[in-house]
Amino acid sequence: DTGVSQDPRHKITKRGQNVTFRCDPISEHNRLYWYRQTLGQGPEFLTYFQNEAQLEKSRLLSDRFSAERPKGSFSTLEIQRTEQGDSAMYLCASSSPGGGNSPLHFGNGTRLTVT
Amino acid sequence: RKEVEQDPGPFNVPEGATVAFNCTYSNSASQSFFWYRQDCRKEPKLLMSVYSSGNEDGRFTAQLNRASQYISLLIRDSKLSDSATYLCVVNAPGGGNKLTFGTGTQLKVEL
Repeated sequence: DTGVSQDPRHKITKRGQNVTFRCDPISEHNRLYWYRQTLGQGPEFLTYFQNEAQLEKSRLLSDRFSAERPKGSFSTLEIQRTEQGDSAMYLCASSSPGGGNSPLHFGNGTRLTVT
Repeated sequence: RKEVEQDPGPFNVPEGATVAFNCTYSNSASQSFFWYRQDCRKEPKLLMSVYSSGNEDGRFTAQLNRASQYISLLIRDSKLSDSATYLCVVNAPGGGNKLTFGTGTQLKVEL
């Protein structure tokens, strides 16, 4: 399977703990995105990378959130001191460098539950 | 005002019906438009891009009205398998291909 893969699929953690998610994009895609989705809402943009450079971050991305893409391939999203409001589906997507019409290819997501 | 607005539905229609969804966007500088489909507890998948001249893909037709800043999706001869949430998606101007999603419209096709 050469699609976008995310790990883990599910994560249950206690409030206050740190969690880290991983995303492996489609290999030839240089753009990588993180989105968050809660029940009944569409995905909300968090941040995106072009190669290893993080080019934009949403205001939703508080200082407890950090994302990296050190070698321009896989990416990690870390949430420190998790809160119950962080419970959501975290979606990673990648796209090719084809400009504004390149579709995003999403992974299966990581479902986070903070208890 | 939300950047992308959709009627959340649900739209409950009988099999074979024609159903239309509308979506409005706030940023007149937006350049790219898409419809994504999302099945329950699955990731969004691209259904079709929306072009200025309108475009059709089988039973699906997408239209863009830049003057009124709305996008539509028409599904003809709906099938049970069309049941899903349809997300209206707009590319944010300024580069980076950052996509802004609507909340989605839920469609339920019934026997």
